[in-house]
Amino acid sequence: EIVLTQSPATLSLSPGERATLSCRASQSVSAYLAWYQQKPGQAPRLLIYDASNRATGIPARFSGSGSGTDFTLTISSLEPEDFAVYYCQQCSDWPPTFGQGTKVEIK
Amino acid sequence: EVQLVESGGDLVNPGGSLRLSCAGSGFPFSTAWMSWLRLAPGKGLEWVGRIQSKNDGGTIDYAAPVNGRFTISRDDSRNTLYLQMNNLKSEDTAVYYCCWELPKPYYFYYWGQGTLVTVSS
Repeated sequence: EIVLTQSPATLSLSPGERATLSCRASQSVSAYLAWYQQKPGQAPRLLIYDASNRATGIPARFSGSGSGTDFTLTISSLEPEDFAVYYCQQCSDWPPTFGQGTKVEIK
Repeated sequence: EVQLVESGGDLVNPGGSLRLSCAGSGFPFSTAWMSWLRLAPGKGLEWVGRIQSKNDGGTIDYAAPVNGRFTISRDDSRNTLYLQMNNLKSEDTAVYYCCWELPKPYYFYYWGQGTLVTVSS
């Protein structure tokens, strides 16, 4: 199965700063990659699918890029509600797999 | 409004069984492709399995760690998804979520709130 490696494990930033999260796949997933946000005690929320498409209702400060094996989630200016854990997920190959997550915490 | 409500989570002994339910409302449940996912303590998200709509063939597939022990089914007359879990192991301890796959297969837009399954003696 395809392994997704996210980096860094933890990102310490202040509100208003730009966040750049990375996800690397063990083999090409084309553009079949999604990003999710999860806050404590809540279900994950789909942010981005097909590498760069924002899901319905997701603010424009969230953007995704990349293809093949290297992907990036960018949050252009962190809002207080953006501090959470972010997961990438591929659905290019069966079974669908997730990365281990990047925690974005308040510096 | 789309709602997915899981129930049935509990503390169970290793080797035991449990059935989770997921009641859907606010969307055409019978045409939805539905998945179960889980989040184990200190670990990342894991896809457990999925059932297609009957209209699309009703195919069911499972992740390797649960294949042969877990069974997914659906009752479209009740708008309910099920996960029968047998021969439970400690590593099955997790919060279990049901999801409606949108906007494409194996993308998960709608999630329930989750139900906790703890496997321990």
